[in-house]
Amino acid sequence: QVQLQESGPGLVQPSQTLSLTCTVSGDSITSDTYYWTWFRQPAGKGLEWIGRLYTSGTTNYNPSLRSRVTISVDTSKNQFSLKLNSVTAADTAVYFCARGRSSQDWFDPWGQGTLVTVSS
Amino acid sequence: DIQMTQSPSSVSASVGDRVTITCQASRGISSWLAWYQQKPGKAPKLLIYGASTLQSGVPSRFSGSGSGTDFTLTISSLQPEDFASYYCQQADSFPFTFGPGTKVDIK
Repeated sequence: QVQLQESGPGLVQPSQTLSLTCTVSGDSITSDTYYWTWFRQPAGKGLEWIGRLYTSGTTNYNPSLRSRVTISVDTSKNQFSLKLNSVTAADTAVYFCARGRSSQDWFDPWGQGTLVTVSS
Repeated sequence: DIQMTQSPSSVSASVGDRVTITCQASRGISSWLAWYQQKPGKAPKLLIYGASTLQSGVPSRFSGSGSGTDFTLTISSLQPEDFASYYCQQADSFPFTFGPGTKVDIK
């Protein structure tokens, strides 16, 4: 079955760029049926949708983060990535990647999540 | 943005109890609602989508209902593995938003 795994630095300095990668295994990332998405969850808090990417290139971002976020894909590696620039302590969270289904917009499966702390 | 609210924020229950969690959207979302279960330190797991359709592999003690602005998740007979947090998510429009969660713990 499809599995997703996040990777990237666990510590990022304030004002720098947070960069994470999600590796997809068990199926090709190129699909007309599915798309790929990022979420985050600060400790003890709820879930926030960051944005999504179709491998055709179409992206949609949460307006609250749009000015700082880029989601991209590397189909040769079956990976997609998140970049969030100008980070502050408020961006400290567990970041999850997940698969979404076109025209339905629920998410399954999810990666296990990776904690990113913004601190000097 | 569509705001999602949930009640209660937490519930204490015993194995075998019937548990009901409600979710309300700030405007009508038809049946564009999903429910997730999340255990500490783990990723969310999709339980129900389309307000009432059980995801493959999810036990039948879970059920969902509702449409428009008011939705319900019911666990008919709580099992030990069901102690977790539960989140609703609207899939009607960008940005997709979640409720604040309901924690189900042991009485």
